[in-house]
Amino acid sequence: DAGVIQSPRHEVTEMGQEVTLRCKPISGHNSLFWYRQTMMRGLELLIYFNNNVPIDDSGMPEDRFSAKMPNASFSTLKIQPSEPRDSAVYFCASNANKNNEQFFGPGTRLTVL
Amino acid sequence: AQSVAQPEDQVNVAEGNPLTVKCTYSVSGNPYLFWYVQYPNRGLQFLLKYITGDNLVKGSYGFEAEFNKSQTSFHLKKPSALVSDSALYFCAVRFPYNTDKLIFGTGTRLQVFP
Repeated sequence: DAGVIQSPRHEVTEMGQEVTLRCKPISGHNSLFWYRQTMMRGLELLIYFNNNVPIDDSGMPEDRFSAKMPNASFSTLKIQPSEPRDSAVYFCASNANKNNEQFFGPGTRLTVL
Repeated sequence: AQSVAQPEDQVNVAEGNPLTVKCTYSVSGNPYLFWYVQYPNRGLQFLLKYITGDNLVKGSYGFEAEFNKSQTSFHLKKPSALVSDSALYFCAVRFPYNTDKLIFGTGTRLQVFP
């Protein structure tokens, strides 16, 4: 199993540009999570999906952030327009059910100049 | 408020000595507790979990953790530390109870010196 796959691994962009982060969960997992990690705020849950349906998006910072899961094998996190304070490592994770551990992807390091 | 606390930002230990990384929780109901490890420039990796049953849980890489309901703690332990154990460790609790959502602690950096 390839594990959770995220792309790109690194993204450098300029303020105001649109950024799209991608995630492929582990096959057969039915929940998918998007996290953001910064030195200042630690690890924050942004949004999670169950069976492709958004369940809790209370962690999404503002309207500039949006996430979709069009099918069981793909999700995107979009930031439009991006700002320097969005610079962070964004992780995607998935799990098979709520009693099981979450499996994390390698992360996308986003730098907004 | 429901939360997880890791009171130590950093723990230093000599190689070969026992290590403990502390975690306390505050959630209503029976907690589901997890420990994860993060190596530099990597995602979090699962170490162990407590769902129910034996209070002493054994996990990956020789780590174990003890669930203590009276002290609301779930400390991570290892009898003999290795330099390669140096990493960032996160405690997490599942909350709300009937969801997939995890609340993570702020992390503890473990430094094992040769």
